[in-house]
Parts: sequence; C-alpha cells; structure tokens
Amino acid sequence: EPEVTQTPSHQVTQMGQEVILRCVPISNHLYFYWYRQILGQKVEFLVSFYNNEISEKSEIFDDQFSVERPDGSNFTLKIRSTKLEDSAMYFCASSETRSGNQPQHFGDGTRLSIL
Amino acid sequence: GESVGLHLPTLSVQEGDNSIINCAYSNSASDYFIWYKQESGKGPQFIIDIRSNMDKRQGQRVTVLLNKTVKHLSLQIAATQPGDSAVYFCAENIPNAGNMLTFGGGTRLMVKP
Repeated sequence: EPEVTQTPSHQVTQMGQEVILRCVPISNHLYFYWYRQILGQKVEFLVSFYNNEISEKSEIFDDQFSVERPDGSNFTLKIRSTKLEDSAMYFCASSETRSGNQPQHFGDGTRLSIL
Repeated sequence: GESVGLHLPTLSVQEGDNSIINCAYSNSASDYFIWYKQESGKGPQFIIDIRSNMDKRQGQRVTVLLNKTVKHLSLQIAATQPGDSAVYFCAENIPNAGNMLTFGGGTRLMVKP
C-alpha cells in the first residue's frame, strides 16, 4: 500500500540553526500538508499546499517557516532559525483531493529536538 | 524543553470485548470526520471516515457513529485485540475553512490480554 515517507526520523539541531524536513507524499496525491505534535498534545495544522502554492496556513506557520516542492516527488518544510519551542514531531500528509472528500494520509513523522 | 502534555483519557478493555471511543467535535458546520489511530512513534493512521450526510458507517471491525445534534462522534471497535492498543484521534474538516483538519485531544485505548 502506498505511503507517505519522511526523513530524517530524528533531527537534533542547535537553537538558531536552520532545519529542512523532507517528505515524499503518495505519488498520485495533489494536496500536501504539514502538521506538528508537541509531546503529549494534539496534532496541529501548520500549512496546506496545492498546485505549487500555499493554500492555507495557521498562526503557527510564521515567517520562520517555509514549504517547497523542489521536484515532482519531494515536499519540504524549512524552519529558518529554530527556537526551543519548535521541538515537536512534524508530520507530513497528503490527499488525493481537497480535504472534505478524501482522507489525509500521514507519514511517521520527524522528531525535531532543539537544544 | 518540551511542554507538559494534556492528560489523555484512557479506556481499558479486555481482549475480545467491544470498545467505544467518544469524541466531541467543535464546529457544527464540519462536514467530514476521520478517525485516526496513532501507535507509539508512528504517525496517525487512517481508520475510517464519515460525511455529515450520514449517521453511521461500518468498516472491518469498526463502526463510526455521528450525532450532529450534539456534535458527537464515536468509534466502535468489535472484538478488541491487543494490536488495537493505541491513541485514537477524531479529526474534523470545516467547509470553506480550507484543507486543514482539526484534531481532538485523543483517547488512549489499552487492551488487556
């Protein structure tokens, strides 16, 4: 069964450094998403992406965050200057159609630890 | 450091019994709902979905019930197995609010052999 894959599984970074989290969505999906989950808390929406542009973003997704689809398979989340509070699990998801018609399928996440 | 997390409600059941996990959703305009299962160290795994024009949907060993009057969603798991042990989240989609899913707080299901 096709799945969303994310790399790396764990990223440890010094505060203030840039990080790039990588995702390969399911191949025939057109909508891509990033969510985060702080330890023990709810999964929170960050951003959705369609047709090479951001569709929606949450208040969490400030100027330090950016997303890119550099080629036909990868979808990346960049945090420009990491803060301690960015420590969380970051999940990539994709869906075949826009949300409300088909479920979003999630990867197993990248655990980001900021020191 | 990392924040102190929410205390997750826990449901403990005996293997073979049926489980019912409940969720109160936030927005009466939500038109699509999904149940996800999250095992330790993994991402949310799709279980079953339901649209707001339905009040019941069945899958393999799972049933989702939707009560729009009281904004309540439930997930029923028949003949619960040890492999069902996980945290279960409901998620809702609000039309015209974009493609985001809004997740509930989660319930931990523990299955005793």
